[in-house]
Amino acid sequence: EPEVTQTPSHQVTQMGQEVILRCVPISNHLYFYWYRQILGQKVEFLVSFYNNEISEKSEIFDDQFSVERPDGSNFTLKIRSTKLEDSAMYFCASSANPPGLLSQNIQYFGAGTRLSVL
Amino acid sequence: LAKTTQPISMDSYEGQEVNITCSHNNIATNDYITWYQQFPSQGPRFIIQGYKTKVTNEVASLFIPADRKSSTLSLPRVSLSDTAVYYCLVGVNQGGKLIFGQGTELSVKP
Repeated sequence: EPEVTQTPSHQVTQMGQEVILRCVPISNHLYFYWYRQILGQKVEFLVSFYNNEISEKSEIFDDQFSVERPDGSNFTLKIRSTKLEDSAMYFCASSANPPGLLSQNIQYFGAGTRLSVL
Repeated sequence: LAKTTQPISMDSYEGQEVNITCSHNNIATNDYITWYQQFPSQGPRFIIQGYKTKVTNEVASLFIPADRKSSTLSLPRVSLSDTAVYYCLVGVNQGGKLIFGQGTELSVKP
């Protein structure tokens, strides 16, 4: 069964450092997403991406965050200068169908990257 | 996007059928109902999706009454490995944003 893969599984970094979280979406999917989950809290939407552009982003996704699809298979989330409060699980997801009124838009999630900012 | 309400937690025993009901009174005409499962320290996993009446797959069944203001996820003969958080989501906006609530924490005991 195709799956979304994320690397690394655990990233430890010092406050103020840049981190890049990597994702390989399911191969025929065209719509990509990042979510995060702080320990004990809800899964929160960060950003959606299609056709090399951000479709939507949340208030959390400020100027410290960026996303990129550097090649045909990878999708990355960069945090420029990490803060303590960025410590969370970060999940990448992908979907085959576009979001929209009549779409089923089933999103498939990776296992996540645990980011620990010290 | 429709607001959903589901129980915070449920307990069950191995071999029992578990039904988790979700209320979504302001569901829109074109909204689908989707359920995800999440194990600790893992990403949400798609279980089942439906629009009306009944949908069944190898994992679960989804029952949706005619007014679509609620839905029930049915897990037949649960095992310990079904212990997880279950999320009911209704609709998705144009940007693809899924809104997760607190979900229902299902605990299956031996």
